Amino acid sequence: DADVTQTPRNRITKTGKRIMLECSQTKGHDRMYWYRQDPGLGLRLIYYSFDVKDINKGEISDGYSVSRQAQAKFSLSLESAIPNQTALYFCATSDAGTGNEKLFFGSGTQLSVL
Amino acid sequence: GDSVTQMEGPVTLSEEAFLTINCTYTATGYPSLFWYVQYPGEGLQLLLKATKADDKGSNKGFEATYRKETTSFHLEKGSVQVSDSAVYFCALIRFSGGYNKLIFGAGTRLAVHP
Repeated sequence: DADVTQTPRNRITKTGKRIMLECSQTKGHDRMYWYRQDPGLGLRLIYYSFDVKDINKGEISDGYSVSRQAQAKFSLSLESAIPNQTALYFCATSDAGTGNEKLFFGSGTQLSVL
Repeated sequence: GDSVTQMEGPVTLSEEAFLTINCTYTATGYPSLFWYVQYPGEGLQLLLKATKADDKGSNKGFEATYRKETTSFHLEKGSVQVSDSAVYFCALIRFSGGYNKLIFGAGTRLAVHP
């Protein structure tokens, strides 16, 4: 089984809909992240969380919210989806001991907003 | 601000050819540098890293040398295989907002043909 699991793998939704992307991990890491990947732009950080009570905005948090339900679960929500949120979304984890250098990624969620 | 620039892809090679993927960075000081690889349908995974000038990172036949004079961290492999087909991301780490933040380049797609 994968150490970092994202659901769903693919999602098609309409403009204005609320959707949630989920991430769970079995690595026992305290730190979790949400990134989006766009062609030609690489990965950009949306939100990150260093523990259940510590959630921080990344460089592109507008239009997104997150919830850290437990050490192992970190979900990303789009309150009102818009077409330019069409992207590949990745959840990642890291161990505080590695200084955030080594991230472990899920397989991604391809989101399309029509 | 800090940034990473990679050569545009796709890079198309025949099996056993020599590979170079260029990466240059802009940053204050001497950040640690990384190469991540993303195989089809998977999340990114750390390939190699170098933490100081003149360090050489290596893994799975890939190498990259931290060149502070040219602010570069080019990825090389002497003989590529079809299984090396993937997207390669160069990244640096920067302490910002209270934690070590990874900054990714846009990625370079490599396609290796038999």
